Amino acid sequence: NAGVTQTPKFQVLKTGQSMTLQCAQDMNHEYMSWYRQDPGMGLRLIHYSVGAGITDQGEVPNGYNVSRSTTEDFPLRLLSAAPSQTSVYFCASSGPGTGGLRYTFGSGTRLTVV
Amino acid sequence: KQEVTQIPAALSVPEGENLVLNCSFTDSAIYNLQWFRQDPGKGLTSLLLIQSSQREQTSGRLNASLDKSSGRSTLYIAASQPGDSATYLCAASGNTGKLIFGQGTTLQVKP
Repeated sequence: NAGVTQTPKFQVLKTGQSMTLQCAQDMNHEYMSWYRQDPGMGLRLIHYSVGAGITDQGEVPNGYNVSRSTTEDFPLRLLSAAPSQTSVYFCASSGPGTGGLRYTFGSGTRLTVV
Repeated sequence: KQEVTQIPAALSVPEGENLVLNCSFTDSAIYNLQWFRQDPGKGLTSLLLIQSSQREQTSGRLNASLDKSSGRSTLYIAASQPGDSATYLCAASGNTGKLIFGQGTTLQVKP
């Protein structure tokens, strides 16, 4: 089925460890983005990309890196995990639709840093 | 800087009631306004998208309105059902495609 696939669904890290959250879409969308969701704070934009080879920072980029080597993939890297990065992470892709950019979200990765 | 606020944070209603969820934004220079639904432990599902030039959009029992001048959007749910129980999020978008989300309204519809 067409959509956005995120892996893993759950992850526990120790403080200081690094890891990569994977995100892939098969809708040929140019826009991709990463959000984190914390209780009472809604979703906040971490990084986004408007096309292969182009990335930019969102609202809360510190501690995260991204790259966009292909249209399909947009991995999010945690360089040195901290407890403050415990959150649920959502990847989204968006493409033109009636009325503007239509967003499709992945099912999320629940990350716990201990 | 765009800020989006949703009131109330939580709402509980009996089945069959009509209800309104509110969303306000500080910067009226938006490209569009979107409403999403999120079920517990799940991702977001797009419900309605209103372009900046539009006043409202409808899908089934859902109707979303947009008033750019006052910085407000409302989501109207008619004849609520227990299956409507979820968190509803509104998000404002500029022409770059970035979404700025409100904190969400968690709705419970009691049978």
